[in-house]
Amino acid sequence: KNEVEQSPQNLTAQEGEFITINCSYSVGISALHWLQQHPGGGIVSLFMLSSGKKKHGRLIATINIQEKHSSLHITASHPRDSAVYICAVLGSQGNLIFGKGTKLSVKP
Amino acid sequence: GAGVSQSPSNKVTEKGKDVELRCDPISGHTALYWYRQSLGQGLEFLIYFQGNSAPDKSGLPSDRFSAERTGGSVSTLTIQRTQQEDSAVYLCASSLGGPNYEQYFGPGTRLTVT
Repeated sequence: KNEVEQSPQNLTAQEGEFITINCSYSVGISALHWLQQHPGGGIVSLFMLSSGKKKHGRLIATINIQEKHSSLHITASHPRDSAVYICAVLGSQGNLIFGKGTKLSVKP
Repeated sequence: GAGVSQSPSNKVTEKGKDVELRCDPISGHTALYWYRQSLGQGLEFLIYFQGNSAPDKSGLPSDRFSAERTGGSVSTLTIQRTQQEDSAVYLCASSLGGPNYEQYFGPGTRLTVT
């Protein structure tokens, strides 16, 4: 079993839909990251959180430390949101442990 | 300001040759990370430098891989006697402090071993 599991692996949505991507982890962590990787390959950090909820524009990330679960939500999705979304947890040695990513495609 | 830069952006090499990949972190960032992303695979941690401390090499896949960080700034990842399975995108990231800081990623170096 992977230490960081994401679901779904692939997600297709219509423009305007509310999107949820889930991340569960089995290791103890001090922080969790959500990253976005566009088709060109560049990676951008969206959120880093260790408790509660963070919001940035149409993106919301939540984490439940007790349940070892985090969600990334996108409201009013747009085709430009199409990307791979990666969950990563901060391991005890300071390195990131990555999920396999969720490939999101938003159709106009 | 300038982000993390990596060079070269693409590298094609023959099996058995050595390669050097370079990372210039954001100025003032004390932490530097190397990751690898093989085709169709997820991201994999390789090595982590924090200030002047000894690096965490726990992610290096074999002793053919090594990395240096000179003067607490620029880092070089060296792969000796490259193998076809080394073909991947090698990504560098830096952060202002330790692991509890946001990481900023470079554009990556796409390495192809023929």
